[in-house]
Amino acid sequence: AQKVTQAQTEISVVEKEDVTLDCVYETRDTTYYLFWYKQPPSGELVFLIRRNSFDEQNEISGRYSWNFQKSTSSFNFTITASQVVDSAVYFCALSEEGYGGSQGNLIFGKGTKLSVKP
Amino acid sequence: GAVVSQHPSRVICKSGTSVKIECRSLDFQATTMFWYRQFPKQSLMLMATSNEGSKATYEQGVEKDKFLINHASLTLSTLTVTSAHPEDSSFYICSARGLLGYGYTFGSGTRLTVV
Repeated sequence: AQKVTQAQTEISVVEKEDVTLDCVYETRDTTYYLFWYKQPPSGELVFLIRRNSFDEQNEISGRYSWNFQKSTSSFNFTITASQVVDSAVYFCALSEEGYGGSQGNLIFGKGTKLSVKP
Repeated sequence: GAVVSQHPSRVICKSGTSVKIECRSLDFQATTMFWYRQFPKQSLMLMATSNEGSKATYEQGVEKDKFLINHASLTLSTLTVTSAHPEDSSFYICSARGLLGYGYTFGSGTRLTVV
């Protein structure tokens, strides 16, 4: 069965520190997709990244970077030089291939609450 | 980009009444809609999946007679919480998947409080 584990419940850092949020997943499928979402206090989900299982290339987008390692079933997210505006709950999610090659539903980890203090 | 409009954003209702939550895809056709529920400080849990024109598929433990889902068109899906009770107070959020089948577009969520 598929599962997403975010072992870090809460992380607190001081502004400008780097922080890594861990995500470990379980799936039996060879084709799957991994996501990160940010949920600020207002509640809406902000899409950050989507990665398919065949693309292990690491991704960098500004201060954000992602490290996908199939060997350890991990998809970790690093924020460099954190800012107060980064404070939010971050969710890692997994979807497997659904009917007709489309994506199935998203399975979320429990989330990591990041607090960035000035 | 793809947008899903979800209304209302907040609703307070009395115990025993029904509440309808709407999700509209504004610039794409949502062939599949996923409905999630999130209790405070918890993760998002899938309640049901609906495909346009078909009956919704509910996750184990979700009462289909209590949470009525309608997905009659490619741009509108509704979730009705019937005979709401305080334990139904939660954050409900929809997620639409389009014709191409890739990517998810989330609504902004509805915070339901039952008093």
